[in-house]
Amino acid sequence: EAGVTQFPSHSVIEKGQTVTLRCDPISGHDNLYWYRRVMGKEIKFLLHFVKESKQDESGMPNNRFLAERTGGTYSTLKVQPAELEDSGVYFCASSRGLADEQFFGPGTRLTVL
Amino acid sequence: GENVEQHPSTLSVQEGDSAVIKCTYSDSASNYFPWYKQELGKRPQLIIDIRSNVGEKKDQRIAVTLNKTAKHFSLHITETQPEDSAVYFCAANSGGSNYKLTFGKGTLLTVNP
Repeated sequence: EAGVTQFPSHSVIEKGQTVTLRCDPISGHDNLYWYRRVMGKEIKFLLHFVKESKQDESGMPNNRFLAERTGGTYSTLKVQPAELEDSGVYFCASSRGLADEQFFGPGTRLTVL
Repeated sequence: GENVEQHPSTLSVQEGDSAVIKCTYSDSASNYFPWYKQELGKRPQLIIDIRSNVGEKKDQRIAVTLNKTAKHFSLHITETQPEDSAVYFCAANSGGSNYKLTFGKGTLLTVNP
């Protein structure tokens, strides 16, 4: 089966611009997670979708971040406007059931200049 | 919320030696503890996980132990090989039916031939 895919793999933008990251989970996986790793630090949870519903968005840093999962398939994470501290690698993960293994995507490396 | 500490941050061993990475967690409600391996430029991949109803789990050269009383868990790799070189992350869920993961900061394992 195809793994979790993310697009783009890299993005370099200026401070104040908008960027949209996309995640395509494994087909049939109801649970979709977004995580972020800022350089040198741990991977941190951002939010969790169950199908199209936001189950937990306690990790979202602020209201400049907006995640959607229309139709319960792919998800997007928009950062608007981007700030320098938003730089990092954004990972998406999906799992079939809540307690099942989370499969990670390759990540999107975001650089804000 | 959950806090996961991981040690050491770097570990260098000779091929054939054993490697041990240790993690502690803070939330006594956590009941799922996965370990991920991330090779350079690749996505994190689950290598082994343990749930709180067992104290040890083994898969070939990899084993994980869990001490719920002390709130710590460890990864053991025996007969290390150069291809084991990677960053290893421990993680814990937030307990009960909440499976968002809190990660440790990672351990860079280098296996020298």
